[in-house]
Order: sequence, then C-alpha cells, then structure tokens
Amino acid sequence: GAVVSQHPSWVICKSGTSVKIECRSLDFQATTMFWYRQFPKQSLMLMATSNEGSKATYEQGVEKDKFLINHASLTLSTLTVTSAHPEDSSFYICSAREASGFTDTQYFGPGTRLTVL
Amino acid sequence: AQSVTQPDIHITVSEGASLELRCNYSYGATPYLFWYVQSPGQGLQLLLKYFSGDTLVQGIKGFEAEFKRSQSSFNLRKPSVHWSDAAEYFCAVGAGGTSYGKLTFGQGTILTVHP
Repeated sequence: GAVVSQHPSWVICKSGTSVKIECRSLDFQATTMFWYRQFPKQSLMLMATSNEGSKATYEQGVEKDKFLINHASLTLSTLTVTSAHPEDSSFYICSAREASGFTDTQYFGPGTRLTVL
Repeated sequence: AQSVTQPDIHITVSEGASLELRCNYSYGATPYLFWYVQSPGQGLQLLLKYFSGDTLVQGIKGFEAEFKRSQSSFNLRKPSVHWSDAAEYFCAVGAGGTSYGKLTFGQGTILTVHP
C-alpha cells in the first residue's frame, strides 16, 4: 500500500524554539494532507487541512500563527511549531489523501513525538 | 458537530476468543465510518470503512463491522483474536466529497490479548 513518512520521528527542543516536521507521500501524489495531534492516552484531533499550493485551513481553536503549515509540493507538507512551549508537547500525525480516478484513500504517517523542555 | 464515542478504554481477551469493540457516533448526515488500528511505531492502519451499501463490512485481518443506523453504532468484531491483534483501535467518522479525510476520532480502545 501507499506509504506516508514523517521526519523526524521524535524531537526534543527547548522552550521558545521552532520545530519543523515533514510529511511526505512516498509513492503517490497527495493533493490534500491533514495534520492531527494526539495527546497521551487521548484521541487524534484534526488540526488543519493542507492543500497543495494554497493556504491551509485550520480547525477551530488551532492557532495558525503557532502551527505554520506549508504544502509546497504534491508530495510534501510541513508543520512548523513556532516558539514551542511545553504545552505543545504532543504526538503529531499527518495523513495524505490519494484521490485519482480509481481511488480515494487516506494514508497516515507514523507520527512525530515532540517534547518541549 | 460530529462526535465518536468508544465506551471501552481497555479490553482484555484471551487468544482465540471473540472480540467486539464498540463505537457510537453522532453525525448529521450519512456518515463515512472507519476503523483504524495503531501499533507503536506504526502509522494508523485502516481496517475497514463504510460509505454506503451493505451494512456488514469486511476488512483486513479477519475484522468486520456492522453499521446500525438506528443505534448510531459501528461496532468492530473478530471471531477469533490473535496475539498480534494487541494494539489500540480507533473508530472515526467523516464526510465525503471535498471534506473526505477530515476525520473525527473516538478516544480509542486498547486491546490486550492474553495467551
């Protein structure tokens, strides 16, 4: 099946710094990618929808200036957590939508564990 | 607003026993329903999905789920659990069309399998 990768798989940073997380669709073109956040022992919450070449759409309550999303190509979306604080520590998961004439399927990446000290 | 409830946070079964994981949803229109499994270090893997048609859906790894509109439920079942099924399971609801992929997840159910 289609593969979605994320890099890095885990990152530790100091409070106040920015962290970039990459999400790549390895063998298909993804016109739409999604970013989710998962707190420990909790569910996944959709943060934003990213469409190639256009601005991301953020869910209610998500700070777009803190979580910058760039979908520069059909295979890459990035999430930058700006001026990270300990409360931003979480598991960030991306997914990519493969929509063609034959399929419309969403594939999830393995996630990135962010710890802010 | 749409929502998903998985009433069981943790379920323990013996290997070879049958399994049912519960999922109730709230959605204003005809829902797209999904079951995913998450293992440590792995991405969410789709077990099965329901969009329309036959309300009993077959998925991978021997799983099936039944959509019951009257009960707003989409319970996941497996007749005989294997030790490798131990993982966390998520039920999710979404829409089609341009909103396809924007999912609301339940809280997850952790499955432990005893030998």
